[in-house]
Amino acid sequence: DIQMTQSPSSLSASVGDRVTITCRASQSISNYLNWYQQKPGKAPKLLIYAASSLQRGVPSRFSGSGSGTDFTLTISSLQPEDFATYYCQQSYNTPPGLTFGGGTKVEI
Amino acid sequence: QLQLQESGPGLVKPSETLSLTCTVSGGSISRSSYYWGWIRQPPGMGLEWVGSISYGGSTYYSLSLKSRVTISADTSKNQFSLKLTSVTAADTSVYYCARLTPLSGTYFGFDYWGQGTLVTVSS
Repeated sequence: DIQMTQSPSSLSASVGDRVTITCRASQSISNYLNWYQQKPGKAPKLLIYAASSLQRGVPSRFSGSGSGTDFTLTISSLQPEDFATYYCQQSYNTPPGLTFGGGTKVEI
Repeated sequence: QLQLQESGPGLVKPSETLSLTCTVSGGSISRSSYYWGWIRQPPGMGLEWVGSISYGGSTYYSLSLKSRVTISADTSKNQFSLKLTSVTAADTSVYYCARLTPLSGTYFGFDYWGQGTLVTVSS
């Protein structure tokens, strides 16, 4: 199984801050990497797929980068509605093996 | 607009079988190229992919759960189901059903989700 490790597990930030979350795969997954946002009591929402492609309807302040084993999610200017938990997910050998990272909670 | 809705018992006794159904509306589960999956989340913890079923009925399971999981589909009812046997307290989670979509070529992601249902394993 491919393991996904996110860091940090939590961070504190203010509205307007630039925020970066990292995700590392235990082996190369090319750019088969998705990012999701989850708010309390809600289902996750797909933000980015293929490491850097923005899902329809997602604000452009979200961006992703990386390839191989190291990836980042960046929020260029944090908005109040962005306080949530973010998960990476590899889809390298989809459909099997859709491993999620442990999550990063973005707090005020 | 595609909608998914989980249903099933909210309380299951240890050693028994957890059974959930996901009813899909606004689209057919038999539509080519799409997969359907189950993801779970223990209270206060992260997401875990449980397994998926293809439009053609092929199934794929998490290695850690493979010996206890069965996913099946009923195309006449536009539903797919999850069975997890020999449950313990560690299986207490919110269980989500979701659509796994080919977003671009071979790049897949879960783009539509149900609201989730909490299943507690307790005597």
